[in-house]
Amino acid sequence: EAGVAQSPRYKIIEKRQSVAFWCNPISGHATLYWYQQILGQGPKLLIQFQNNGVVDDSQLPKDRFSAERLKGVDSTLKIQPAKLEDSAVYLCASSLSNSGLAQETQYFGPGTRLLVL
Amino acid sequence: AQSVAQPEDQVNVAEGNPLTVKCTYSVSGNPYLFWYVQYPNRGLQFLLKYITGDNLVKGSYGFEAEFNKSQTSFHLKKPSALVSDSALYFCAVRLSGGYNKLIFGAGTRLAVHP
Repeated sequence: EAGVAQSPRYKIIEKRQSVAFWCNPISGHATLYWYQQILGQGPKLLIQFQNNGVVDDSQLPKDRFSAERLKGVDSTLKIQPAKLEDSAVYLCASSLSNSGLAQETQYFGPGTRLLVL
Repeated sequence: AQSVAQPEDQVNVAEGNPLTVKCTYSVSGNPYLFWYVQYPNRGLQFLLKYITGDNLVKGSYGFEAEFNKSQTSFHLKKPSALVSDSALYFCAVRLSGGYNKLIFGAGTRLAVHP
């Protein structure tokens, strides 16, 4: 079974530029998550989709970050304009159902490492 | 506030010795706890989880974790460490309510020396 796919793997941009990341979850997984992992910290949830609807975006900096999941499959996360503090690894994860079951495991992709200069 | 703590930034152990990576949690209601491992330039890989039942949970690659409700801990263990176990380990707790939201600890770097 293919895992969660993400691209690009690495991205270097200058501050105030825009950038987009793409994620394709495990086939059949209804729930998709985007996390931000700053160096030396654990991942922090930015946004969670169930199918193509947002169920939690409480920690998404909405003035500069946006995300969409058209057709309830793959997703894009965009930053515009980027700031120095956005340098981090952006992880995408998916889980099977759309019922928010406590025992559900989230499966992670390899991440996109962003460096903002 | 619901949270998870990993009190050690780094754990050093000799190959063949037992290892323990510590995790404590603070949640309201029943805790749902997870361990993930992260190798360099890789995403997080699921190791094991505690939902209910037996306090000793067995997972991938010979790892296990012991849930201790009275001490609010969920320490990761392995009887005999391998050099290849060297990685970054994250403990996570699922928040009660919400939609399967996980809160991660800051991570513990495990270094296994030959």
